[in-house]
Amino acid sequence: DADVTQTPRNRITKTGKRIMLECSQTKGHDRMYWYRQDPGLGLRLIYYSFDVKDINKGEISDGYSVSRQAQAKFSLSLESAIPNQTALYFCATSDGRPTQYFGPGTRLTVL
Amino acid sequence: ELKVEQNPLFLSMQEGKNYTIYCNYSTTSDRLYWYRQDPGKSLESLFVLLSNGAVKQEGRLMASLDTKARLSTLHITAAVHDLSATYFCAVDPNNAGNMLTFGGGTRLMVKP
Repeated sequence: DADVTQTPRNRITKTGKRIMLECSQTKGHDRMYWYRQDPGLGLRLIYYSFDVKDINKGEISDGYSVSRQAQAKFSLSLESAIPNQTALYFCATSDGRPTQYFGPGTRLTVL
Repeated sequence: ELKVEQNPLFLSMQEGKNYTIYCNYSTTSDRLYWYRQDPGKSLESLFVLLSNGAVKQEGRLMASLDTKARLSTLHITAAVHDLSATYFCAVDPNNAGNMLTFGGGTRLMVKP
């Protein structure tokens, strides 16, 4: 079984809809991250969390919110989706050591 | 604003050839990471470079870091088709393992 899972894997939605992307991990890591990847570009950090009570904005947090429901779960919400939020979204985890471990990604399309 | 630039952005090479991918960054950092992404897949950690002069090797790939020049290289020796993927470098300006800034990626195609 995968250590970092994301649901859904693919989602098509309409402008203005609320969307939640979920991430779960079984690695026992404290730190979790949400990234966005646009075609031909590198990943950009949206939010990160060092534990359940610690949430921090990343480079591009506008238009997004997150919830850390438990050590193993970190959700990303788009309150009112817009077309330029169409992208591939990755969740990642780490235990404080340098390497981050990435989930399989969620492909989101906003029409 | 930290900028991380990779070149080339796209590389097509024959099997058996050598080549180097470059990663330049604009601010002081002692930590740099290399990741591999296969089409439609997630990112896989390749190398973690934690100090000036660090060199890591795995198979046909070798990564190095020159923090004074703000430059990391990923050298490919005797390329094989299985190395075809997109390679990303990422810089950790806070040296804290959290706020990674990624380069735009180098898409490598190795032709038989």
